[in-house]
Amino acid sequence: AQSVTQLDSQVPVFEEAPVELRCNYSSSVSVYLFWYVQYPNQGLQLLLKYLSGSTLVESINGFEAEFNKSQTSFHLRKPSVHISDTAEYFCAVSDYGNKLVFGAGTILRVKS
Amino acid sequence: KAGVTQTPRYLIKTRGQQVTLSCSPISGHRSVSWYQQTPGQGLQFLFEYFSETQRNKGNFPGRFSGRQFSNSRSEMNVSTLELGDSALYLCASSGGQGTYNEQFFGPGTRLTVL
Repeated sequence: AQSVTQLDSQVPVFEEAPVELRCNYSSSVSVYLFWYVQYPNQGLQLLLKYLSGSTLVESINGFEAEFNKSQTSFHLRKPSVHISDTAEYFCAVSDYGNKLVFGAGTILRVKS
Repeated sequence: KAGVTQTPRYLIKTRGQQVTLSCSPISGHRSVSWYQQTPGQGLQFLFEYFSETQRNKGNFPGRFSGRQFSNSRSEMNVSTLELGDSALYLCASSGGQGTYNEQFFGPGTRLTVL
């Protein structure tokens, strides 16, 4: 069975500082990996995905994540955060199919 | 292109009642999945429908059921509501051209059971 562990429930960081949100997964088969973001009272928005190919994937708003198969990790990073990045971030995994298994989420709090 | 829509956005019910939630996927999407989000259990997969057939199912009791119509719209039903069913119910659609396993989520229906 697949599982996802997000190691930090909350990450406080000052504006313009770098941030890393950690995600480890467990699966016996090849997987697809995702990061979703959820703003208060909203649904989930896909931030970035790894399906195959380059292990470094980037989003349009400056986030990036690197798939590391040997460490079964898919950590999310941003070199300089903004107040508007304050949200909850979910790492998710799926095998061939549409069922997503989510981590518990990490609340990113950006302080000015 | 319109996104995934869910109705109603908020619901208040009492224990023992039943409830029906509706989800309209993005035009052209044929897969609809449902998730339950609670503070204690997080995001959990309920089931997925594709072309009116349930294709995958999570570990929820039989009180939770769903269906999909020929226009891909989906409904989920919860019978004999319990306090623990209070949650945000999210619907996601996928299957548009050029996507793979990418799911687009609606804003959710927040169900409160009193």
